[in-house]
Amino acid sequence: KQEVTQIPAALSVPEGENLVLNCSFTDSAIYNLQWFRQDPGKGLTSLLLIQSSQREQTSGRLNASLDKSSGRSTLYIAASQPGDSATYLCAVLGLGPGTYKYIFGTGTRLKVLA
Amino acid sequence: NAGVTQTPKFRILKIGQSMTLQCTQDMNHNYMYWYRQDPGMGLKLIYYSVGAGITDKGEVPNGYNVSRSTTEDFPLRLELAAPSQTSVYFCASSYSGNEKLFFGSGTQLSVL
Repeated sequence: KQEVTQIPAALSVPEGENLVLNCSFTDSAIYNLQWFRQDPGKGLTSLLLIQSSQREQTSGRLNASLDKSSGRSTLYIAASQPGDSATYLCAVLGLGPGTYKYIFGTGTRLKVLA
Repeated sequence: NAGVTQTPKFRILKIGQSMTLQCTQDMNHNYMYWYRQDPGMGLKLIYYSVGAGITDKGEVPNGYNVSRSTTEDFPLRLELAAPSQTSVYFCASSYSGNEKLFFGSGTQLSVL
């Protein structure tokens, strides 16, 4: 059974710092992986989607990498800003028939201090 | 662009009451999902649908029912509400099962 883990659960950094959020998964047979942002009291917004054949995806100050063989993904945020404060979740989509189901991690709550 | 719309945003139920959480999307997406999110936990899949007339159970379906009569709508029915169903409920959709997921803003439900 696929399990997705995100460590740390919470992180505080000063503004301007580059930071890395981690996501690990137990079954490397995945179709893709998504990173989401969730603001308090709001829904999730997809930030980046990495297909299993890809190594990384970039959007602005965000870069997500995927290493299927080791069961790891990282989300790199460059030059962090207070507006980046949110909870970041990763989710993996497994392979196989009928597996149209993303498995979510519990998230990393990020606070960027001005 | 409306995207995925959920109603209501908040609801308080008494034990044993029933209610329907509404979800509609205007992106012509085939796949729709219902998740619940409990504090400190990841999202758990309740039910999903791959198209009108087709639904299937997720990880935690007990106590819930769904229907998908149109592409746009995917309501979630709670029968005989229990305190264990206190949670935040999210509806999501995607065009195909392996593409970007779009989420609604959620329904915060308390069962007292």
